[in-house]
Amino acid sequence: QIVLSQSPAILSASPGEKVTMTCRASSSVSYMHWYQQKPGSSPKPWIYATSNLASGVPARFSGSGSGTSYSLTISRVEAEDAATYYCQQWSSNPRTFGGGTKLEIK
Amino acid sequence: EVKLVESGGGLVKPGGSLKLSCAASGFTFSSYAMSWVRQTPEKRLEWVASISSGGSTYYPDSVKGRFTISRDNARNILYLQMSSLRSEDTAMYYCAREGFTLDYWGQGTTLTVSS
Repeated sequence: QIVLSQSPAILSASPGEKVTMTCRASSSVSYMHWYQQKPGSSPKPWIYATSNLASGVPARFSGSGSGTSYSLTISRVEAEDAATYYCQQWSSNPRTFGGGTKLEIK
Repeated sequence: EVKLVESGGGLVKPGGSLKLSCAASGFTFSSYAMSWVRQTPEKRLEWVASISSGGSTYYPDSVKGRFTISRDNARNILYLQMSSLRSEDTAMYYCAREGFTLDYWGQGTTLTVSS
């Protein structure tokens, strides 16, 4: 199965900073999805097919990548962005998720 | 408004069985593939099962032969029948609609497998 490794596990940033989190796949995948989850809530679709923002996602978010390396970038972090972000591939079965990057706001 | 409401979770002994349900509303249920995804106590997300709009089913090896996903398109309900449960099946179970991604998720139902 394709293993997704997310880094860093915890990311601490101040409001206004630019941050990037990475998802690396053990084998090449066609695209990557990202989900945001806040404590006590279900995951929400955030970025689909590598670079497409889900409905309602602020334009300060962007996604990029190809092959085995994908990233999610926030151009200027805001307090509301504090959450855990998970990447997911379904290029091949079994569909797999990364372990998550927890974004903390200073 | 798309709504997914899971139910049926609970405490089960190892080796036991349980059936989860997910009531769907706000969209044409029969037209969408659906999935079950679980989140472990360590917050790891794991895909558990998927069913296409046509009824084809898919499972990871970790649950194949123990879990069965099914759907009732007349009643707009998704099911997950689980048997031979193990402690490692303990998790919050979410149902999710498959669009370009898992585009809608329920609030989850908790399964605890413990003696």
